Amino acid sequence: QQPVQSPQAVILREGEDAVINCSSSKALYSVHWYRQKHGEAPVFLMILLKGGEQKGHDKISASFNEKKQQSSLYLTASQLSYSGTYFCGTEFSGSARQLTFGSGTQLTVLP
Amino acid sequence: AAGVIQSPRHLIKEKRETATLKCYPIPRHDTVYWYQQGPGQDPQFLISFYEKMQSDKGSIPDRFSAQQFSDYHSELNMSSLELGDSALYFCASSLAGGWGQETQYFGPGTRLLVL
Repeated sequence: QQPVQSPQAVILREGEDAVINCSSSKALYSVHWYRQKHGEAPVFLMILLKGGEQKGHDKISASFNEKKQQSSLYLTASQLSYSGTYFCGTEFSGSARQLTFGSGTQLTVLP
Repeated sequence: AAGVIQSPRHLIKEKRETATLKCYPIPRHDTVYWYQQGPGQDPQFLISFYEKMQSDKGSIPDRFSAQQFSDYHSELNMSSLELGDSALYFCASSLAGGWGQETQYFGPGTRLLVL
């Protein structure tokens, strides 16, 4: 089952914060976050494993709530370069090597 | 650092023709994945290979086949092309490290247009 991402789109001004959520109705083993700019390859941001961890680098961080089967990506003090479509890729418990991506969140950062 | 290489980058074919897409993983990576991404869509998993064996299969049409060779590069063969096959095809590679810990690094993609 495809995970559900919200919001579908968000527009920010430089320096503002955003949260992108990824929810699954199926038990998750891990969540992989990617950012994709138009016509380019998805770029890996981070992996979160079940167990409820939080990760971050620079001004982008993420959490994984195993009870809710939900992951959230936090972007703080957004920069113009953050613009793009964010996808969560989910790996389900017991599944083999594949990612099921959410439908994406289009983030636009304006000057 | 070396990245995933895909060729060709662009491909135009007619309906019912065949196409072969190639993927060269990051050196020492042993797992290759293929994804199809339509316009405005999320990447859809097609198939993956680990150590030259098929690992998992997704929504890959029967008209498509793929394999991973002894040098770990992979090829996606597409036959009887249809208009709906027009899409970006991404290859990704990873180094086996246990479930959920294998970061998939994506190549630049092959843009296929079927006329």
